[in-house]
Parts: sequence; C-alpha cells; structure tokens
Amino acid sequence: DARVTQTPRHKVTEMGQEVTMRCQPILGHNTVFWYRQTMMQGLELLAYFRNRAPLDDSGMPKDRFSAEMPDATLATLKIQPSEPRDSAVYFCASGLGEETNEKLFFGSGTQLSVL
Amino acid sequence: SQQGEEDPQALSIQEGENATMNCSYKTSINNLQWYRQNSGRGLVHLILIRSNEREKHSGRLRVTLDTSKKSSSLLITASRAADTASYFCATSSGYALNFGKGTSLLVTP
Repeated sequence: DARVTQTPRHKVTEMGQEVTMRCQPILGHNTVFWYRQTMMQGLELLAYFRNRAPLDDSGMPKDRFSAEMPDATLATLKIQPSEPRDSAVYFCASGLGEETNEKLFFGSGTQLSVL
Repeated sequence: SQQGEEDPQALSIQEGENATMNCSYKTSINNLQWYRQNSGRGLVHLILIRSNEREKHSGRLRVTLDTSKKSSSLLITASRAADTASYFCATSSGYALNFGKGTSLLVTP
C-alpha cells in the first residue's frame, strides 16, 4: 500500500534545540501539506507545496520554522530553536490536486515534546 | 479563515444506532471533505462532496451539503464499536484544505 511516511514518530528534546521532521509523500503526488495538531487549536495548516514549490507558509512562525522540499520524495519541517509551546503532533499529508485539492493522505505524525 | 466547525464536539451512542455530525463553514467552497482519526493515528479520508452536489453516499456513510446555509452533515448508519474515532470536516476553496476541531464519537457495545 502506498503511504506517507513520517520520521521520527516521537521526538523529545530540550528547549533551544533544533528539530527536523521528515516526510516522504506518496510517489506521484504533487501536493504536500504540513499540519500541527494540538488539543487547544486543533489542526493548524503550517505550510503547503505544489510541485515542490512553496505556495503558502503563512501559518508558520517565520522566525523559527522552515519548510522545504529538496526533492519530490522528501519534505522537511525544521524548528530552530524549539520552544515548549511547539509541543504538538506534526502531520504531513500528500495529495494529487489540480486546481482544487482532492483527498489528502496523511502520515502517522511526529509527536514532538519540547521540555 | 474558512475553517469548518463541527457540532457536537462529542457524541456517545450505542452500537446499531445512527450517528449524525454537522459542519458549518464561513466562505464559499469548492468541495467539502470528511476525515476520520483514530487515537494516535493520522487522518483518513472518508468522503468528498463537491459544491454542486447535495448528497453523497459511501457504504454506511451519507453526506449532505447545503451551500445556502454553509453547512454539511455526516450520517453514519448502524454504527459499530470500530467507528469510535474523531471526525473532521475540511473545506477547500483553493489550494488550502482547512480542518475543523472535530467531533469525538464513542460507540459502545
């Protein structure tokens, strides 16, 4: 079965450390999304890419977050420096969208705890 | 934001009963989707309804869309314990897909 793969599944780090989360989208999909899920805020859209180009990253705190797609098989989300308020589950999703987005396929998420 | 809002926040029913969840949104949309999330897992797509459709079926799922009221409903018929999960609506009016905070469904045997 084709699936979105996220690594690591869990990450515990100390405040101030750099965190890098990786995502392998489904082969052939041309859109990639990063979402953050917390109990308080629900699912927040952080960034999305179409054909590897960033279309919108307005949901990300620009001073500490960055998202890239170095190639079609890898998307990364980096936090530097991390803070306790960044603790959340981070999901990557990919899809095959034309003008409007069709269904998304989600990875299992990276559960991040910043102490 | 055109984030949808689900109602109720939580729903508890017994196996065999039907479960109905509602979603309201604020701006015009291209399509509306429903997703399911089991505890500790990623979201799984259930069904998509386009803005020019009013009703759609998939197995035990029935989705309705009323664009004049900017609302949608998800009906799960003959619920099973395995349907216990959180259910999210997501709206799309362009490239972005925005999610509500979900309805937590508990189905007891």
